[in-house]
Formats: sequence, C-alpha cells, structure tokens
Amino acid sequence: DARVTQTPRHKVTEMGQEVTMRCQPILGHNTVFWYRQTMMQGLELLAYFRNRAPLDDSGMPKDRFSAEMPDATLATLKIQPSEPRDSAVYFCASGLPPPDRKPYEQYFGPGTRLTVT
Amino acid sequence: AQKITQTQPGMFVQEKEAVTLDCTYDTSDQSYGLFWYKQPSSGEMIFLIYQGSYDEQNATEGRYSLNFQKARKSANLVISASQLGDSAMYFCATRRGSTLGRLYFGRGTQLTVWP
Repeated sequence: DARVTQTPRHKVTEMGQEVTMRCQPILGHNTVFWYRQTMMQGLELLAYFRNRAPLDDSGMPKDRFSAEMPDATLATLKIQPSEPRDSAVYFCASGLPPPDRKPYEQYFGPGTRLTVT
Repeated sequence: AQKITQTQPGMFVQEKEAVTLDCTYDTSDQSYGLFWYKQPSSGEMIFLIYQGSYDEQNATEGRYSLNFQKARKSANLVISASQLGDSAMYFCATRRGSTLGRLYFGRGTQLTVWP
C-alpha cells in the first residue's frame, strides 16, 4: 500500500528556531505539493515541484520559507527563523501527471503538526 | 484565482440516511476538475471523488456521488446510507485544467453522523 510519508509528525519549537519538515512521495510520483492548513486560512498551497523543479512557489513567504527536492524520493520544507504564526499542519502530497490515469488525484501524507511558541 | 464556497460549516445526519454537502465554485476556465476530500479527526486527507468539467455523467464512487450542475457552478457531494465512520470534515476543491496541478480548497463542512 503505497503512501506518502512525512516526518516529523509533530514538532514543537521556540520562535526563532529553524524547522525542517521532510516528505517522501510515493515511489514513481514526479510531482510534489506542499500545503498548509490553519483555522484562519484553511488549506492553501505553499509550493509544488515537478521532476524536482519548482513550478509554483507563489504561496510561500520567501523571506523565511524554502522548499526543495534534493532527490526524487525526498522533499523538504524549511522555515528559518520560525514564528508563532507559522503554527499549522503542513501537508505534503504527490501525484503523477498524464499519461497516468485520470483523475490525476493527489495523495496526501499524514501531515506535520507544527507549534511555534 | 479559483474560488470555492462551502456554505455549510456543519451538517448532521442520522445513520443510514443520505446527506448532501454543498459546494459552489467560481472559475472562468473551460477545463477544470472538481474534487472532494474527507478529513477525519486523525487529520489525514482522503480522496473521495472527482468530476471533470467535460464529463457528462455525474461521478459516482460507491456511496459517494457528485451532483454536478455546470451552469450553476455547483458540485455537491451526496453520501448515501450514512455510517458513523463518515463523521469528518469534507473539503471541496478545484483544479485548473485537466491534468495534475494545484488544488484550491473550500473551508470545509463538518459532518456528524448520529446513531
């Protein structure tokens, strides 16, 4: 049963610290998405990659957030320095574009719950 | 940008009854996709059903069906024969075009199924 994995599942850190979240997409999936879920904003896209290249990072605060894919099996999202307003659940999702079968849905990981105090 | 509206913050349904969760969307695109995801209290996002803008038939997946009314820009989720395990948050989402791309989510509807 192929799944997207995310580590850590929970992270509590102090304001100003660096946070790194990791995602392992489903083997063979070449598109990876990072979403953030908060009560105030709901679910919103931060960035996504295809074949390890960023396609859209318009939702990501550039001054403190960075996302990359060191290789096809690992995506990382870093926050430096972290702030209390970054507290949220961060989801990674992966998928395959055509010619894979429709509907080209995204498979979500379990999320990383981040709390910045 | 795509906009998704889910007007029902919370819905209640008795076990074995059917329930409809509303979703309207705003897009100027001709080609787009509509999705429903379920998020139980454990937090994971579970894909339920998909409808393409050019699909003439309403999508069905087991007890889930999507009531697609293109002219009204409406994509309601119908759950038949509700079960206690259906209690969760349900999100409607849209995607531009007909291929894999970013999703735009609504704010969700919290469904509670009671015995």
